[in-house]
This record gives sequence, structure tokens and C-alpha cells, in this order.
Amino acid sequence: AQSVSQHNHHVILSEAASLELGCNYSYGGTVNLFWYVQYPGQHLQLLLKYFSGDPLVKGIKGFEAEFIKSKFSFNLRKPSVQWSDTAEYFCAAPAGNKLTFGGGTRVLVKP
Amino acid sequence: NAGVTQTPKFRILKIGQSMTLQCTQDMNHNYMYWYRQDPGMGLKLIYYSVGAGITDKGEVPNGYNVSRSTTEDFPLRLELAAPSQTSVYFCASTNRGRASDEQFFGPGTRLTVL
Repeated sequence: AQSVSQHNHHVILSEAASLELGCNYSYGGTVNLFWYVQYPGQHLQLLLKYFSGDPLVKGIKGFEAEFIKSKFSFNLRKPSVQWSDTAEYFCAAPAGNKLTFGGGTRVLVKP
Repeated sequence: NAGVTQTPKFRILKIGQSMTLQCTQDMNHNYMYWYRQDPGMGLKLIYYSVGAGITDKGEVPNGYNVSRSTTEDFPLRLELAAPSQTSVYFCASTNRGRASDEQFFGPGTRLTVL
């Protein structure tokens, strides 16, 4: 069965710092991968997704993620964070018609 | 479109009480899901449905029941509330359930069982 792991539970940054969040998945077949974001008090929303083609995926709000098949990884990056990026970030992968989520990473951006 | 809506937003239950968490979507999606979110654990799937009249267990179904009598509604029932069910509950939907399809989430219900 597909499993997803996220390396960091909590990350604290200052504004303008670069962000990279790790995500590893277990299944080696055809892969679709997602990053969702949950801003404080809000519901989860899609940040970006990979399902084929260019392994470097651009998402909303300046985020990007790189799919590296040989490393089973789909790390999320942002070159310069803002206070408004404070949120919890979830990596997810499909398992049949369901989604498997990683444990989430809470990101706090200090102004 | 309102998207996915959930009621109530907050609820406190006593041990042994029962309640129903409501979920409605207006996007005519076939697939609907219930998750619970616990700190550091991500989201765990409780139940899901691939269409009206069809439901199936997810990863953590014990203590919960669901029904899907219409395309729009997917209520989650807690029969005998326990402290272990204190969590945030999210409902989600997607159209075709394909691996590349985005799931759309509701705003969540924060439940505390005392």
C-alpha cells in the first residue's frame, strides 16, 4: 500500500528565508503526487500536483515542487517566504480512489 | 457554488452521546470522503463513498457510520462518543476519483468529547 512520509513536523523561518519541505512516498509504479496547504482556521486547499511530464511543478503563491523518481521524493520549495505562508502543509499520494496523506509539516514564518 | 459545506463547526459531546456530522457538496461529485485530522498524524480516512448508495470503510472506521442516500449528502454518525474521537473532521469530494483528481475539502468540524 502507498505510504507518504514528511520529514519535518515543525519548521520556523524568518520572512524572506527559503523553504524546503521533504516528502517521500513508497509506491514505485505510476505516481501522482499532491501538496495541500491548510492556512490557520481554514480548510485544506490544493497547492500543486504532479501527474506526468515535467518533474518540476509550479503551484500557486510561488511554490514549486520537484518529483525525483529515483529518490521517491516530491519536495516542496519556495525561494522567499512571507508571513502569510504560515500554515500546515500536507503531501499526499493516491491509493486507488483514495488519498494517503503524510503527517503534515507546520510552518511558522516570523515577520 | 458553495463547494463542500459542513455543519456544525464546533461541538462538545459527553462520553456516550451520539451525533451526526453533516456534509453537503453542490458540485455533483460522485466521490465523497470523511477524514479525521489529529496533530502530527496527517489526515486519516474514516469512510468514503463512490456514489449514492455505495459506501466503504477507510483506514479508521471503528466507532463511525455513514450513509449516502443522495449524491449531495454524506453524513457521518458517531453512535457512542469516546474521548478518542476528539478530533477535527473534514469532508471532501472529487468528481471521478481518478488518481490525478484534486479533492475539494469542507471547512471542518472540531469535535471534543469529554
